[in-house]
Amino acid sequence: KAGVTQTPRYLIKTRGQQVTLSCSPISGHRSVSWYQQTPGQGLQFLFEYFSETQRNKGNFPGRFSGRQFSNSRSEMNVSTLELGDSALYLCASSPRQGTNTEAFFGQGTRLTVV
Amino acid sequence: DAKTTQPPSMDCAEGRAANLPCNHSTISGNEYVYWYRQIHSQGPQYIIHGLKNNETNEMASLIITEDRKSSTLILPHATLRDTAVYYCIAFPSKAAGNKLTFGGGTRVLVKP
Repeated sequence: KAGVTQTPRYLIKTRGQQVTLSCSPISGHRSVSWYQQTPGQGLQFLFEYFSETQRNKGNFPGRFSGRQFSNSRSEMNVSTLELGDSALYLCASSPRQGTNTEAFFGQGTRLTVV
Repeated sequence: DAKTTQPPSMDCAEGRAANLPCNHSTISGNEYVYWYRQIHSQGPQYIIHGLKNNETNEMASLIITEDRKSSTLILPHATLRDTAVYYCIAFPSKAAGNKLTFGGGTRVLVKP
């Protein structure tokens, strides 16, 4: 069974640009969550999608957005990039929403903003 | 979600048991204790979870105190590949979503 796949693995962007990251969950999983990890703030929850709807949102500015497609694949977008957006962005998938099942994480996309 | 407190770091000898403590004194009755670990530059990996009873799987054992205010993750025979940051998380059984709140975790270094 294939794991969570995130693309691209590495990305370098310039301040002011926008970026789109992709996440393919484990087959059959319908919940996809996104996290940002930085050395200073640690792992922080961005948002969760389930059945193409955003169900939870973390405390991030509106420049951070996402969506989920009918096949459960998800994308997140960051507009007007700032240096502080440099981070490891992690995607996690779960079979269902709001259950005590474990989340499966991808390898992440390392974004560097210069 | 209940706040969890873990020591920032600990060392462990290869082949020995590693006992990782976690304090969750404000945990509510419907919150499970979850453990994840993150090996350098990889995504977090689920280890184990429990509510009241002790749990064991192929990776680790979880011991939860009777009052549920603290727990211990036990890696029975630590290997160098167990070097990672270990996170203890309290997660409600009937949560509205799958939002995980990660604290600072414990950085475990397994030494030869």
